[in-house]
Amino acid sequence: QVQLVQSGAEVKKPGASVKVSCKASGYTFTSYYMHWVRQAPGQGLEWMGIINPSGGSTSYAQKFQGRVTMTRDTSTSTVYMELSSLRSEDTAVYYCATTTVTTNWFDPWGQGTLVTVSS
Amino acid sequence: QSALTQPASVSGSPGQSITISCTGTSSDVGSYNLVSWYQQHPGKAPKLMIYEGSKRPSGVSNRFSGSKSGNTASLTISGLQAEDEADYYCCSYAGSSTFVFGTGTKVTVL
Repeated sequence: QVQLVQSGAEVKKPGASVKVSCKASGYTFTSYYMHWVRQAPGQGLEWMGIINPSGGSTSYAQKFQGRVTMTRDTSTSTVYMELSSLRSEDTAVYYCATTTVTTNWFDPWGQGTLVTVSS
Repeated sequence: QSALTQPASVSGSPGQSITISCTGTSSDVGSYNLVSWYQQHPGKAPKLMIYEGSKRPSGVSNRFSGSKSGNTASLTISGLQAEDEADYYCCSYAGSSTFVFGTGTKVTVL
């Protein structure tokens, strides 16, 4: 079945960058779009952006434009999300989740990666 | 893009029905029949409960149902059970490959 496995927790200092990975299995990697969603402690879900693994095209939420970069490696069926100029407000659990060409709902989700930004 | 508006909390007794509203705008909820709902237990990843406004994925109890009217979508949980206690989020497609989530609702089973 479709499975998404994310990289482990990270601790970063303000101003640094973080790169989180999401490895997909159980399906043709280029057939599913990949999204990133984050959740700050005690807060709600926030959509960050989408990458099409087939051609690498991306679309980011306006809030993150200029700070986020989503890439993919088709040889390892892995998608990456890099967030730069980190600040304390970026402390959150970051999830990857899939949609397809014909679906607009997120299923399945990765297990989440906690990124802590602290001096 | 502003978050969709949900009540912060809703509660009910076992066996009762509750409804969670999700209010957006004519640019998201009102423009597309593409609202999905997610259940999230503490420390867990969200789980898809409803898609395309009213459809249930395989394996999701038929106690969960969804609907939409204008710019507002709704999730109803009937026959409330202890295991339904969780946070619930709506999400809408908002055009140009973008999505917006709701503010989230904490459901408490009394």
